[in-house]
Amino acid sequence: DGGITQSPKYLFRKEGQNVTLSCEQNLNHDAMYWYRQDPGQGLRLIYYSQIVNDFQKGDIAEGYSVSREKKESFPLTVTSAQKNPTAFYLCASSILGADFLPFFGPGTRLTVL
Amino acid sequence: AQSVTQPDIHITVSEGASLELRCNYSYGATPYLFWYVQSPGQGLQLLLKYFSGDTLVQGIKGFEAEFKRSQSSFNLRKPSVHWSDAAEYFCAVGGKGGKLIFGQGTELSVKP
Repeated sequence: DGGITQSPKYLFRKEGQNVTLSCEQNLNHDAMYWYRQDPGQGLRLIYYSQIVNDFQKGDIAEGYSVSREKKESFPLTVTSAQKNPTAFYLCASSILGADFLPFFGPGTRLTVL
Repeated sequence: AQSVTQPDIHITVSEGASLELRCNYSYGATPYLFWYVQSPGQGLQLLLKYFSGDTLVQGIKGFEAEFKRSQSSFNLRKPSVHWSDAAEYFCAVGGKGGKLIFGQGTELSVKP
C-alpha cells in the first residue's frame, strides 16, 4: 500500500541531544514537508523540499535541519539549539502543480526530558 | 501575507444537529483550499478540497464546504453530526508551489 511512514511514533530524548525523525513515502511524490504541532497553535511549517537535494526553510526552521538525498526520504533533525523541542511532528508529501494535494503521515511525538 | 483564520477554537453540538465550522483566508491568488480532520494523537485525514469549478464541494463522511470568494471563506458543513465526528478540524490554504498554511484548528465535541 502507498503511504507515508513516520518512525518512531513516540520518542524521548534528554535535553541537549540531537534527534532525527524519520519520514518515508512510497507515493512517488516530489514534494515533502515537515510541520510542528503544538496545542492551540495549529500546524507550523518547519522545512519543505520540492525536489531531491533541495529544500527551503519554513516559518520556524531555527533549531532544525533536514536533508533530501532520496526522493522517498526526508529526515528531520531536531538539534540542541531548538529551545522547545517537545511537540508533535507531522510529515507530509504531495504532487506539485495542478494536482497539489498533501497527504500526511501518522506523526511522531517527541518529548525532551 | 497569506493566512488562515478559524474563529472558533472549540464548538459543542448535539448528536444529530447540524454543524458549520468557519474558515477565512487571505491569499494573493486563487487558492487551493482544504479541510483536514485529526483524531487525538493521529495524523491528518483529508476531508475535502477545492481547486476550481463548482463552489460547493463534497467530501468524505458526509461533509461539504462552500467557497465564497467575496467573503474569502471556505466553511465546512455537515447536516447531521455523529458522535464519531468529534475531533479537531483544520482549514488550510495552498498554492501550486506547494506550501500549505493552516488555521489554528477547531475542536469539535459532540453531546449525546
